[in-house]
Amino acid sequence: GAGVSQSPRYKVAKRGQDVALRCDPISGHVSLFWYQQALGQGPEFLTYFQNEAQLDKSGLPSDRFFAERPEGSVSTLKIQRTQQEDSAVYLCATTGPQETQYFGPGTRLLVL
Amino acid sequence: AQSVTQPDIHITVSEGASLELRCNYSYGATPYLFWYVQSPGQGLQLLLKYFSGDTLVQGIKGFEAEFKRSQSSFNLRKPSVHWSDAAEYFCAVGVSMDMGRRALTFGSGTRLQVQP
Repeated sequence: GAGVSQSPRYKVAKRGQDVALRCDPISGHVSLFWYQQALGQGPEFLTYFQNEAQLDKSGLPSDRFFAERPEGSVSTLKIQRTQQEDSAVYLCATTGPQETQYFGPGTRLLVL
Repeated sequence: AQSVTQPDIHITVSEGASLELRCNYSYGATPYLFWYVQSPGQGLQLLLKYFSGDTLVQGIKGFEAEFKRSQSSFNLRKPSVHWSDAAEYFCAVGVSMDMGRRALTFGSGTRLQVQP
């Protein structure tokens, strides 16, 4: 497609469940970012890939969060043993020319 | 550390009135600055960006922003607001990462309400 897509759009998980969030980037965009947006807040950086290499994961809030991009295209953000504080919108973005980041619609995660 | 401050949490304007949304940043190097808009249930859409050169930048939907280095500000303006402009607006600064790319540090947003 023409833009960044994310799936699922909505996810409800019971506390303690593992979840996997998918990001399909714009074709040809080698840089990919994940952000977390809590309710009423701006997005916050989680992690960054250049092709398949994860170059920065300083924003991941705990070791329960894990991201991968094995073939340098689709990326998956995995959260293990979800907690209520993980409830947020998770945004994926890829970088095109001139540092412009194009965002997907996000996955809204609700942990009960 | 870098930061972005949007001092106005919520602004209400009348349709047809002018608009200015404030943004102040803190960043040690030359900033890359952005304004994004987010409508309910939608992703973030880029309105405009500033990297260098002319400090007054034009964006989509009739928006413009002015970079003022002395004030560390990048305020967003529109001369005449339309009802469809009601949304959440985020200012962001690009922070250098490895391989030259920049992650975005966002402000907490300003919610714009437009009255008929």
